Amino acid sequence: EVVMTQSPATLSVSPGERVTLSCRASQSVDRNLAWYRQRPGQAPRLLIYGASTRATGIPARFSGSGSETDFTLTINSLQSEDFALYYCHQYLNWPYTFGQGSRLEIK
Amino acid sequence: QITLEESGPTLVKPTQTLTLTCAFSGFSLTPRGVGVGWIRQAPGKALEWLALIYWNDDKTYSPSLKTRLTITKDTSRNHVVLIMTNLEPVDTATYYCAHSFWGLLDSWGPGVSVTVSS
Repeated sequence: EVVMTQSPATLSVSPGERVTLSCRASQSVDRNLAWYRQRPGQAPRLLIYGASTRATGIPARFSGSGSETDFTLTINSLQSEDFALYYCHQYLNWPYTFGQGSRLEIK
Repeated sequence: QITLEESGPTLVKPTQTLTLTCAFSGFSLTPRGVGVGWIRQAPGKALEWLALIYWNDDKTYSPSLKTRLTITKDTSRNHVVLIMTNLEPVDTATYYCAHSFWGLLDSWGPGVSVTVSS
């Protein structure tokens, strides 16, 4: 099973700031890596797939990069709706797996 | 527009069997690469893949739960059903179904909260 490790677990930031979240895979997943945002009480929403492609309707302040085992999600100019949980997800090898999540909190 | 909605009991007793239905619209489960997956999230915990059924009726299950899970599809009625047997309190979670394209989950249902308690 591919283990996905996200860091940091929690990050306190102010609105308008830029943040970078990391995700590391225990073995190569090529570019079969997605990022999701989950607000309280809601289902996850796809932000990025293929490591760097924004999903439909996702604003340009979200960007993804990386390949094989190391990936990052960058969010520019944080908005109020961005204070949420973020998960990475590999969909190359079954069982597909998620990271444990990174929480963005308002400073 | 793709939509999915989960339904099922909200309270189940230990040792009982849970049957969840995912009703979807806006896509067909016949094109190559398309599937429907089930994912759960225990309170305060991370997301966990459970099962995935593909357009060609291939099925994959979480290795740790495969003896307890069955996933089926009814393409004509646009339904996917997940059956989980021998429930325990640790199975208390929100259960989601999602549209999958070659494993990528791009649209999710709102989820159904299931509590396992006597």
